[in-house]
Amino acid sequence: KNQVEQSPQSLIILEGKNCTLQCNYTVSPFSNLRWYKQDTGRGPVSLTIMTFSENTKSNGRYTATLDADTKQSSLHITASQLSDSASYICVVSAYSRGISGGYNKLIFGAGTRLAVHP
Amino acid sequence: DAGITQSPRYKITETGRQVTLMCHQTWSHSYMFWYRQDLGHGLRLIYYSAAADITDKGEVPDGYVVSRSKTENFPLTLESATRSQTSVYFCASSDGTSGGHEQYFGPGTRLTVT
Repeated sequence: KNQVEQSPQSLIILEGKNCTLQCNYTVSPFSNLRWYKQDTGRGPVSLTIMTFSENTKSNGRYTATLDADTKQSSLHITASQLSDSASYICVVSAYSRGISGGYNKLIFGAGTRLAVHP
Repeated sequence: DAGITQSPRYKITETGRQVTLMCHQTWSHSYMFWYRQDLGHGLRLIYYSAAADITDKGEVPDGYVVSRSKTENFPLTLESATRSQTSVYFCASSDGTSGGHEQYFGPGTRLTVT
């Protein structure tokens, strides 16, 4: 069964500190891995997308890593800001067949809720 | 540039009622998706559409109906709402589904079935 598991479920850090969020997945066939940020009451917004051959991708203070052998990914946030308070969702894309042809469906983790305190 | 919008943003309905959630995108994206988000779960795909008049089931389609007569609209109908359908519903669109294609999400509709 395709699954994406994230840890921790929630995290509280002080402004200016770094943190790392973890993602383990069992998804086949793997297409790519994405990290999304979801602010309260809003839809998810993409932070990074990594294919099988990429092992790191940065977007400003966000750096995602991927180890395709161990099926693990992490999202590192540097010098956290109050605006980083949100849920961070790990999403793995897997090729699937539908009646309209093949497509890459997204399998979402439950997210890590990050709170950055002043 | 409106992007992708959903209406209503909040809806309370009674068990057994029919309710339709609207989704509209201005990018002419070929793909559109409906997800539900429940506490403790990741987003789960209800239905998706690869183009106008082409729709297909996702992971949790039971109790839902979709249509796509125009590229820009993808309404989701709950034919007879049940309490288990209380959730936050997100619509998304993309120009494709390979790694280079982003899925852009709407702001969500919070539906409560009493």
